[in-house]
Amino acid sequence: EVQLVESGGGLVKPGGSLRLSCAASGFTFTNAWMTWVRQAPGKGLEWLGRIKSKTDAGTTDYAAPVKGRFTISRDDSKNTLYLQMNSLKTEDTAVYYCTTESDAARPWGQGTLVTVSS
Amino acid sequence: DIQMTQSPSSLSASVGDRVTITCRASQSINNYLNWYQQKPGKAPKVLIYAASNLQSGVSSRFSGSGSGTYFTLTISSLQPEDVATYYCQQTYSIPCSFGQGTKLEIK
Repeated sequence: EVQLVESGGGLVKPGGSLRLSCAASGFTFTNAWMTWVRQAPGKGLEWLGRIKSKTDAGTTDYAAPVKGRFTISRDDSKNTLYLQMNSLKTEDTAVYYCTTESDAARPWGQGTLVTVSS
Repeated sequence: DIQMTQSPSSLSASVGDRVTITCRASQSINNYLNWYQQKPGKAPKVLIYAASNLQSGVSSRFSGSGSGTYFTLTISSLQPEDVATYYCQQTYSIPCSFGQGTKLEIK
């Protein structure tokens, strides 16, 4: 079964940091381009960024609101995607999803909630 | 950046109705357009990819069409389980922007 499971969310103070993980199974993670998307409470979906496979140079792209603060990385030996979030702001409060179009199932994880509040 | 505009923002229809949601891109995106369904408290689910391809396991009531800047998602016969918010997304260029969503309810 193709599956993505996010973890690492929680409550953090403004200016703080958090690292999210996304564990992949059921497909060839090594070849997959992986994406992070978030959804603020009661709002729509926001594309955050993606990382290509290492065979495609493993390069990253980011949306403007998070560029320079968020870093996407991957550990292919662990089939895990990461999102390092620094200098967090209250407006980063959201459910964070990982997803990929590199598998025919086009899976999404269940999401992990990040709350930025003092 | 490419802007994606969906209409309507909300829609109420009766069971059995044919429902159409539109999505316009601010510039041509060829057919790099996905449609998602999101039910409350759940992750989005792909319905249509590459503008008109039905995702495996998705009901054939759903169909997509369009290319360039104008796209549609059609539900041929609305069912109660179709109550959800629907989003389009372009994957033609970075950032891969979403539309603002269309909330579909049963009348």
